[in-house]
Amino acid sequence: DAMVIQNPRYQVTQFGKPVTLSCSQTLNHNVMYWYQQKSSQAPKLLFHYYDKDFNNEADTPDNFQSRRPNTSFCFLDIRSPGLGDAAMYLCATSRDQDRVEQYFGPGTRLTVT
Amino acid sequence: GEDVEQSLFLSVREGDSSVINCTYTDSSSTYLYWYKQEPGAGLQLLTYIFSNMDMKQDQRLTVLLNKKDKHLSLRIADTQTGDSAIYFCAESSPTGGGNKLTFGTGTQLKVEL
Repeated sequence: DAMVIQNPRYQVTQFGKPVTLSCSQTLNHNVMYWYQQKSSQAPKLLFHYYDKDFNNEADTPDNFQSRRPNTSFCFLDIRSPGLGDAAMYLCATSRDQDRVEQYFGPGTRLTVT
Repeated sequence: GEDVEQSLFLSVREGDSSVINCTYTDSSSTYLYWYKQEPGAGLQLLTYIFSNMDMKQDQRLTVLLNKKDKHLSLRIADTQTGDSAIYFCAESSPTGGGNKLTFGTGTQLKVEL
């Protein structure tokens, strides 16, 4: 059974057109993370939520925002996608800071045309 | 700053052992991880090791940690074609209410018949 679900798996958007990626989890975990993985690179943390508390990484562009309306769902909003934002976006969860396992979803591959 | 390095490629024959190496620089990392990524997929947690351990074995996987040299390795015994994937090591650091994973560049493992 899927535990971390990401929709859609593939997303194509136009340059400058806002796009939203979705992540849901059935694990009831407190922490949800968004990572960006560009082609042939390591995943890089963008931000995370601990419950409703939002934690942004210092070098995450303002173009990227996130919402977590409830425990199960977390959204990544890209306000004005540029060509450089084309990447795989990975959602992950962990029970809390003391539990070290992070569980990843299958990712959404974003193409910007 | 944090910087995790891995060799880019490794090719082995089916049935042989594979050893994937990783060097990290953040000596304060409490846990170190190995993740597997198959083409177009998310990250699968293989195993992790607490920083006060020097070895952990889990079925075909053996993790060795040399904290003095900041060197981590993953040994896969009896490597199979299904082990072909990219392997990422990662170190964790507390951030907000979660844990930030900093990934290495990834090692592409190719298993040949």
